[in-house]
Amino acid sequence: QVQLVQSGAEVKKPGASVKVSCKASSYTFTNFGISWVRQAPGQEPEWMGWISTYNGNTQYSQKLQDRVTMTTDTSTNTAYMELRSLSSDDTAVYFCARKPTGLPLDIWGQGTMVTVSS
Amino acid sequence: EIVMTQSPATLSVSPGERATLSCRASQSISSNLAWYQQKPGQAPRLLISGASTRATGIPARFSGSGSGTEFTLTISSLQSEDFAVYYCQQYNNWPPDTFGQGTKLEIQ
Repeated sequence: QVQLVQSGAEVKKPGASVKVSCKASSYTFTNFGISWVRQAPGQEPEWMGWISTYNGNTQYSQKLQDRVTMTTDTSTNTAYMELRSLSSDDTAVYFCARKPTGLPLDIWGQGTMVTVSS
Repeated sequence: EIVMTQSPATLSVSPGERATLSCRASQSISSNLAWYQQKPGQAPRLLISGASTRATGIPARFSGSGSGTEFTLTISSLQSEDFAVYYCQQYNNWPPDTFGQGTKLEIQ
C-alpha cells in the first residue's frame, strides 16, 4: 500500500542539527511533492515547507527558512528534512506528507519525535 | 497568511448522537478546505477534501459542507472510534498549508 516511513526518534542538544528521512513506497515518487509538518505537544500542526520531488524546488515557511533544508534522493524514493540550530522550541513530532498538486496532504508518515534537551 | 479558526475547542457528545464542528477562514478560500482526524500518537488522517468530498475509505457518516469562509464537518452517528481531535486546513492560498487549532471530540 501507499506509505511513507520515517526515521526513528532523535534526542538532540540545543544548537545541534537533526535530519529526518521519509521513504516512500507503492507510488511514483516524482509525481507528488512532499510537505513537512511539525506538531509540538498539545498544539496544532505547523507547516514547515514543501519540496518538489520532480525538480527539487522548495518552499519554506518564513519562520524556519533560515534553519531548514529539504532534499530528496529519487534513487531511493526518500525525502529528507534537516533543521539546524535547534532549541527547546523545536521539540515536536515531525511528519512528512504527500502533497498532490492543488490538493491537501493525503498520505502521512508515522511521525518522528525530536526532543531538544540539554 | 490566512487564519483558520475552529469552534468549539472541545465538544462533548454521546455515542450515537450527531456532532457538528465548525471552521472559519479569515478570508475566502473557495472550497479548498480539508478536514483531518487525529488520534493520540498517530498522524493526522485525511477525511474530507474540497470541503465536501470524502477521502478513500472514509465512512458515509462523515460529511463536510460550506464554501468561502464558513465550513462544517458533521458526524451523523458517533461511533467509539470517532472520538479524536479534528483539524481543518486550507490549501487555497498555498504556501502555506494552514491548520486550525483543532476541536477535541470527547465522549459525554
